[in-house]
Amino acid sequence: GAGVSQSPSNKVTEKGKDVELRCDPISGHTALYWYRQSLGQGLEFLIYFQGNSAPDKSGLPSDRFSAERTGGSVSTLTIQRTQQEDSAVYLCASSADRGSGNTIYFGEGSWLTVV
Amino acid sequence: SQKIEQNSEALNIQEGKTATLTCNYTNYSPAYLQWYRQDPGRGPVFLLLIRENEKEKRKERLKVTFDTTLKQSLFHITASQPADSATYLCAPGGGSYIPTFGRGTSLIVHP
Repeated sequence: GAGVSQSPSNKVTEKGKDVELRCDPISGHTALYWYRQSLGQGLEFLIYFQGNSAPDKSGLPSDRFSAERTGGSVSTLTIQRTQQEDSAVYLCASSADRGSGNTIYFGEGSWLTVV
Repeated sequence: SQKIEQNSEALNIQEGKTATLTCNYTNYSPAYLQWYRQDPGRGPVFLLLIRENEKEKRKERLKVTFDTTLKQSLFHITASQPADSATYLCAPGGGSYIPTFGRGTSLIVHP
């Protein structure tokens, strides 16, 4: 596709349920990032994938959060046993790689509301 | 730990004036610094990248400076327009650093 695609665009879930958020990066981009943005806040780094290397999970806030990237392309962010504080916009981004300063392209985000 | 500071208060300016936004960082030696624009309900959009060996970068009405001694970047929009109203994010990065974003500064350009 022409840009980073995320789904669903909006998700309302009950506290305690699991949710899966999907990201389809720009074709050919080896780097993929997940960020979280709470209302009125900055972007909080969650996890980073680069090619076939082990992901950098240093930003995941708890063990309820996990992510995988299949075939070096599509990524899924899973939140188990959702809590109200998980309500935020989850932004996925991709770039050609990381070190050389390639532009990061963001999707429009998945808006998660936990009620 | 790495820290990025951007003006937390909204910047209100009159149309036609130059807007100047500040990004300060600590505990970093980034190889480059990027600026993004974010509109409400949208993902950030890349504007400009400046590398550590560049003092200034321009693109149309935009100008970015990068002072690695002061650990500061300034972002200027000349001849500002109401359509420039948005939140502007800075993101130092490069090398071993995951791109990390400041909280952004909201710019409001009044007609």
